[in-house]
Amino acid sequence: EPEVTQTPSHQVTQMGQEVILRCVPISNHLYFYWYRQILGQKVEFLVSFYNNEISEKSEIFDDQFSVERPDGSNFTLKIRSTKLEDSAMYFCASRRTSGGARTGELFFGEGSRLTVL
Amino acid sequence: AQSVSQHNHHVILSEAASLELGCNYSYGGTVNLFWYVQYPGQHLQLLLKYFSGDPLVKGIKGFEAEFIKSKFSFNLRKPSVQWSDTAEYFCAVTTNSGNTPLVFGKGTRLSVIA
Repeated sequence: EPEVTQTPSHQVTQMGQEVILRCVPISNHLYFYWYRQILGQKVEFLVSFYNNEISEKSEIFDDQFSVERPDGSNFTLKIRSTKLEDSAMYFCASRRTSGGARTGELFFGEGSRLTVL
Repeated sequence: AQSVSQHNHHVILSEAASLELGCNYSYGGTVNLFWYVQYPGQHLQLLLKYFSGDPLVKGIKGFEAEFIKSKFSFNLRKPSVQWSDTAEYFCAVTTNSGNTPLVFGKGTRLSVIA
């Protein structure tokens, strides 16, 4: 069964360092998402991406964050200068079709745990 | 903006006990509702979803959920839990208008003990 894969599974970094989280969505999917979950809190939407551009982003997704689909298979989330509060589990997700949730299930990766010291 | 409340943070049940996890959402319009499950060390998986029609939705692994519009609720149920149901359960909602992202609740951790 095709799945969304994420690397690394866990990354520890120093505050102020740049971090890149990588995701390989399911190959025929068109819509890509990043969510995060701070320990003990809800899963929060960060950004959605379609047709090589951001389609929607939340208030959390400030100038420190960026997304890219550099080579047609990877979908990356970059945090330019990490802060302590960026420590969280980051989930990548993808969906094949448009038309909202009705026509396409969201498939999630296993998550990348980021720890900022 | 829509929001989702899951009131139970951690539920502990014995095997064969019945399960009901609460989920309430706030949004006045038409919604699509989901329950996702995350087993230890694994990714989020869809358990079931409601778009329209019969408000009692059956999902995988014997789970079901009932949409009660008047209560803005979408509670998850299972008549008899198993040890393998130990996981984190997330309720999520999206609106029926366009490609809006899923909004999740905080999740409920279910621990099933033998």
